[in-house]
Amino acid sequence: GAGVSQSPRYKVAKRGQDVALRCDPISGHVSLFWYQQALGQGPEFLTYFQNEAQLDKSGLPSDRFFAERPEGSVSTLKIQRTQQEDSAVYLCASSLARLAPYNEQFFGPGTRLTVL
Amino acid sequence: DAKTTQPNSMESNEEEPVHLPCNHSTISGTDYIHWYRQLPSQGPEYVIHGLTSNVNNRMASLAIAEDRKSSTLILHRATLRDAAVYYCILSAGYSTLTFGKGTMLLVSP
Repeated sequence: GAGVSQSPRYKVAKRGQDVALRCDPISGHVSLFWYQQALGQGPEFLTYFQNEAQLDKSGLPSDRFFAERPEGSVSTLKIQRTQQEDSAVYLCASSLARLAPYNEQFFGPGTRLTVL
Repeated sequence: DAKTTQPNSMESNEEEPVHLPCNHSTISGTDYIHWYRQLPSQGPEYVIHGLTSNVNNRMASLAIAEDRKSSTLILHRATLRDAAVYYCILSAGYSTLTFGKGTMLLVSP
């Protein structure tokens, strides 16, 4: 069955460029999450959507990071004026129901961003 | 957030059982224990979760200590495809998942 998909899978950007990363969650999933994973580390939470509402953006590292989910399905993570420290794998996950401590999250394959 | 402690790495032979430990001495009564794993170049994958009782599913078993301060993920027969980083995570209320560094499981043929 269709899982969570992300595009592009790989992105190379020059320092200072803006990038947009797309996430297609599993159809019907209410919750959507973005994580950032640096090399050799576990994923770190960035932001959470319940349908189109962004309920938690406490993990976004700076105001250069912006996420949206305007129609409650596809989501885009945008990074403005990319810096080398933004190089990481960006993971998207979705969950069937609203956030609860027992809900399973389904992850996409991630987008590997390299900033030169 | 309550934290978990896992060994950095473990090794196993194919077809043998694997017991992956996790300590969570500051766990609260409402914390669920989740295990996810991440195969190379893939996103994390849900394995199992539990609250107080031991749990079994098609992938693994989760054994939770009576005081809930530790738990063990059990893979009954390791295969080469089980080589991955395994994360033990606590989740309560409406908190999102907080991953640590996990345990890298190496499986030898």
